[in-house]
Amino acid sequence: GAGVSQSPSNKVTEKGKDVELRCDPISGHTALYWYRQSLGQGLEFLIYFQGNSAPDKSGLPSDRFSAERTGGSVSTLTIQRTQQEDSAVYLCASSTNTHGTAGAFFGQGTRLTVV
Amino acid sequence: GNSVTQMEGPVTLSEEAFLTINCTYTATGYPSLFWYVQYPGEGLQLLLKATKADDKGSNKGFEATYRKETTSFHLEKGSVQVSDSAVYFCALFQSGGSYIPTFGRGTSLIVHP
Repeated sequence: GAGVSQSPSNKVTEKGKDVELRCDPISGHTALYWYRQSLGQGLEFLIYFQGNSAPDKSGLPSDRFSAERTGGSVSTLTIQRTQQEDSAVYLCASSTNTHGTAGAFFGQGTRLTVV
Repeated sequence: GNSVTQMEGPVTLSEEAFLTINCTYTATGYPSLFWYVQYPGEGLQLLLKATKADDKGSNKGFEATYRKETTSFHLEKGSVQVSDSAVYFCALFQSGGSYIPTFGRGTSLIVHP
């Protein structure tokens, strides 16, 4: 597609359940980022993928969070045993290079609500 | 490490007023600088960028100049509209080292008719 696509756009889940959030980056973009944005807050970095390199997981808040990127394209962020504090908008972004000059392009986000 | 500092919001203006949102940064080397805009319920959109010192990025009437001597990248617009109401994020991307972009905390802009 023309832009970064995220699904679902909204997800309501019960506390303790697992959820999967999907990101389809712009075709040809080698870098992919996940961020979390809590209500009225800034962006919290979660994880970064670059090509076939090992991902930078330094931002994942706990071992309940994991992500994978298959075939260098689609990425899935999984949250196990969800807690109410996981409620936030999860944003995915992709970028075409590692030189930093192109910036990153964001999807519309997935709004996760844990009840 | 890298950091981006933005002025606290919300910034509240009347339509047609002049806008400045301050952004300063700390980084090693020569980062690229960006402004993103986030409208309610949407993701972040790239507004403008500058990739080297003294470059001026511009888009939709907004502009910002990369000032290495003051490590700043302030966003300006001569005449704001109600439709400019949004949250604005300043960001830097660094080539080499950590490729993880650094974002400011965002500044909310509210424009009244």
